[in-house]
Amino acid sequence: DVKVTQSSRYLVKRTGEKVFLECVQDMDHENMFWYRQDPGLGLRLIYFSYDVKMKEKGDIPEGYSVSREKKERFSLILESASTNQTSMYLCASSGGGLGTEAFFGQGTRLTVV
Amino acid sequence: RKEVEQDPGPFNVPEGATVAFNCTYSNSASQSFFWYRQDCRKEPKLLMSVYSSGNEDGRFTAQLNRASQYISLLIRDSKLSDSATYLCAAKGNAGNNRKLIWGLGTSLAVNP
Repeated sequence: DVKVTQSSRYLVKRTGEKVFLECVQDMDHENMFWYRQDPGLGLRLIYFSYDVKMKEKGDIPEGYSVSREKKERFSLILESASTNQTSMYLCASSGGGLGTEAFFGQGTRLTVV
Repeated sequence: RKEVEQDPGPFNVPEGATVAFNCTYSNSASQSFFWYRQDCRKEPKLLMSVYSSGNEDGRFTAQLNRASQYISLLIRDSKLSDSATYLCAAKGNAGNNRKLIWGLGTSLAVNP
């Protein structure tokens, strides 16, 4: 079974803190993604990576950065957390090719107070 | 206009009913499509992939209509456990085929 694991299910952080969300996949997938999901707004892509040390901005990259030093690990960084970054964060991975689906981690519910 | 659009619902149906959702996409070069199921406060999980004209898995049938640029999901004999949000996704063309483009989801409630 493909496994995508996020480091925390729930996090509470203070405004201005630097926040790290970690994601690890065990299927040697090329592509990894970070989304946030808010009611009524669906899945919004923050950043994705198609190779080690490669990254591309998604639809809402402002206030976030990412790191992919190893193929299996993709980290999302909130440089200075703000209350409008309170959300569900979902990591996903997929193999190359047109037909390959994405597999999701269990999600991290982040609250910034 | 969003690249992938779904009717948000909610669809409220009785147990045993047949229900169908549509999902339209704007990029005619999209090659592969997916239906995911998402339970409340959980991650999306793959329900079905659709590459050619269609796919069937038990009570679930997915179809692709390239001429009209939509995919559909048909659920027969609905169960209470089918209550969830159903997300549609399209994979981009060759130049941008690494990421999925998502609809906002369709909410289904199956009632006793």
